[in-house]
Amino acid sequence: GAVVSQHPSWVICKSGTSVKIECRSLDFQATTMFWYRQFPKQSLMLMATSNEGSKATYEQGVEKDKFLINHASLTLSTLTVTSAHPEDSSFYICSARAPAGGNEQFFGPGTRLTVL
Amino acid sequence: QKEVEQDPGPLSVPEGAIVSLNCTYSNSAFQYFMWYRQYSRKGPELLMYTYSSGNKEDGRFTAQVDKSSKYISLFIRDSQPSDSATYLCAMSASSGGYNKLIFGAGTRLAVHP
Repeated sequence: GAVVSQHPSWVICKSGTSVKIECRSLDFQATTMFWYRQFPKQSLMLMATSNEGSKATYEQGVEKDKFLINHASLTLSTLTVTSAHPEDSSFYICSARAPAGGNEQFFGPGTRLTVL
Repeated sequence: QKEVEQDPGPLSVPEGAIVSLNCTYSNSAFQYFMWYRQYSRKGPELLMYTYSSGNKEDGRFTAQVDKSSKYISLFIRDSQPSDSATYLCAMSASSGGYNKLIFGAGTRLAVHP
């Protein structure tokens, strides 16, 4: 149980284009999902908290107009990187809070974004 | 000072060794403690989840929490090459809601045959 998937697993795009990453909870409903960014050999950096049916809460320093988050259903959250640039190249990972209000988070496999 | 401190390693041990991984923290409000394992280019996988102080055992893994010392540990017995990964500690202050996890930097572990 508590499986989270992400799609795509990797994407290469040209500078200036937008990329959408999907995060799905496969066997449970997730009212809260989280989006992280991870650079090589570094820990996870929380970008935003995604709440079903309401606006996402962004961490300080994260541009909400650049990283658009939509949590339209209890099993799907999407992150869109708008007008991507090479400095946006990174490993993006989503997670979902455990069902029944638990505090642990279950992570997706991650999406590697490379912007040329 | 970071809220959660974790030695990034790398830690290299021979197969079969007992591995001890540790984190210290400064926020006395933390009550929920987790250990995640992350293989290269993969998402973190939850290994252990504990509440408040005490020990929890699952197979070869034992998690310990000492809230009085603000110190948590993960022990791996009979370590295997497949245990080679980065281990992240994480913690939070309260349950439910939109409470965030605070992660350590992660410790890179290499178990050599």
